[in-house]
Amino acid sequence: AQSVAQPEDQVNVAEGNPLTVKCTYSVSGNPYLFWYVQYPNRGLQFLLKYITGDNLVKGSYGFEAEFNKSQTSFHLKKPSALVSDSALYFCAVRVIHASGGSYIPTFGRGTSLIVHP
Amino acid sequence: ETGVTQTPRHLVMGMTNKKSLKCEQHLGHNAMYWYKQSAKKPLELMFVYSLEERVENNSVPSRFSPECPNSSHLFLHLHTLQPEDSALYLCASSQGFGTVDSNTGELFFGEGSRLTVL
Repeated sequence: AQSVAQPEDQVNVAEGNPLTVKCTYSVSGNPYLFWYVQYPNRGLQFLLKYITGDNLVKGSYGFEAEFNKSQTSFHLKKPSALVSDSALYFCAVRVIHASGGSYIPTFGRGTSLIVHP
Repeated sequence: ETGVTQTPRHLVMGMTNKKSLKCEQHLGHNAMYWYKQSAKKPLELMFVYSLEERVENNSVPSRFSPECPNSSHLFLHLHTLQPEDSALYLCASSQGFGTVDSNTGELFFGEGSRLTVL
């Protein structure tokens, strides 16, 4: 079974400071990892993904995430936070097995990011 | 614009009403999903359709009835709902579900239908 954990319900950061939103996962097989963002009263928007290759992946709006296989983590980062980054962030994992079967993604509970002016 | 359109965006209904939520995707994807998002709760997967076949049904009450007439359209029929069913209902689509040459399969979500049951 696959699972994903976002240990923080809320992250507070001052504008201009770096931010990190944490995600850890548990899978059997090679994971595909995703981050999504949800602004108030909107659907989720895809931010970035890790499939293979370079452990540091870059995505939309200046966000990046680092895949760490030994720590089974995929933390979302941004060097300088903006007030407009305030939103709900979801980590998700999807396991692709060698047989080609593709599994339904599992989402974390979400982390509310609040960026203070 | 994500390529996934949900209507209506807002719906208020009584417990005895029958209504439907509609989702349409213009991305050529082969899988579609219904999620329920309630305040203070994790995202709940309700149904998944792949190539118009239902492949997942997470013990959803029978008062929710999905329909997928083709790979571009997905409906959620609602009848005799309860106040606790009030939530944001999200539709999503993806490519590559259950195929050998699947791509990475990220989901594309609609803006959601905000349902209030009185």
